[in-house]
Amino acid sequence: DAGVIQSPRHEVTEMGQEVTLRCKPISGHNSLFWYRQTMMRGLELLIYFNNNVPIDDSGMPEDRFSAKMPNASFSTLKIQPSEPRDSAVYFCASSFSSGGYEQYFGPGTRLTVT
Amino acid sequence: AQSVTQLDSQVPVFEEAPVELRCNYSSSVSVYLFWYVQYPNQGLQLLLKYLSGSTLVKGINGFEAEFNKSQTSFHLRKPSVHISDTAEYFCAVSDRGSYIPTFGRGTSLIVHP
Repeated sequence: DAGVIQSPRHEVTEMGQEVTLRCKPISGHNSLFWYRQTMMRGLELLIYFNNNVPIDDSGMPEDRFSAKMPNASFSTLKIQPSEPRDSAVYFCASSFSSGGYEQYFGPGTRLTVT
Repeated sequence: AQSVTQLDSQVPVFEEAPVELRCNYSSSVSVYLFWYVQYPNQGLQLLLKYLSGSTLVKGINGFEAEFNKSQTSFHLRKPSVHISDTAEYFCAVSDRGSYIPTFGRGTSLIVHP
């Protein structure tokens, strides 16, 4: 299995631009998580999907952030408009809800907003 | 909601020495416990987990952890570390039956030759 796939691996954009991060979970996994990692705040859960349905989006910082999961094999996290404080590493993770509860993380997208 | 405390932000140690990374969590209700490792520029990967059963859990790369319910702790140990163990280590806790873990702030293990 290829594991969780994220693209792009690096993104540099200017403040005010729209940014879209992409994630392909492990085939057969039915739970998907988006996290943000910064030195200041550590690892923060942004949103959790189960069977493609958003279950908990309480971690989404504000309306500039949105996430979708149109099917079991694809999810996006969009920031519009982006701001310098959004600079972070964004991770996608997937798990199988009838499995052992552990999460499988992608390699992350390093976002820099100038 | 759970809170997770990793008492040491950084642990320096010499190669072949033993190491313990500490993790305490807030709630005494039934929990699932995890340790993840993050190597530079990579995502987190599971080292070991406790769901039920024996309180001593063995994981990959020679690591083990012990669940102590009375002390609400889940400390990670390795008897002899290698340079390649240099990484960030995260403890995570979720309430039994929950798929959403709470992660600690991480402990940076630095192994010196």
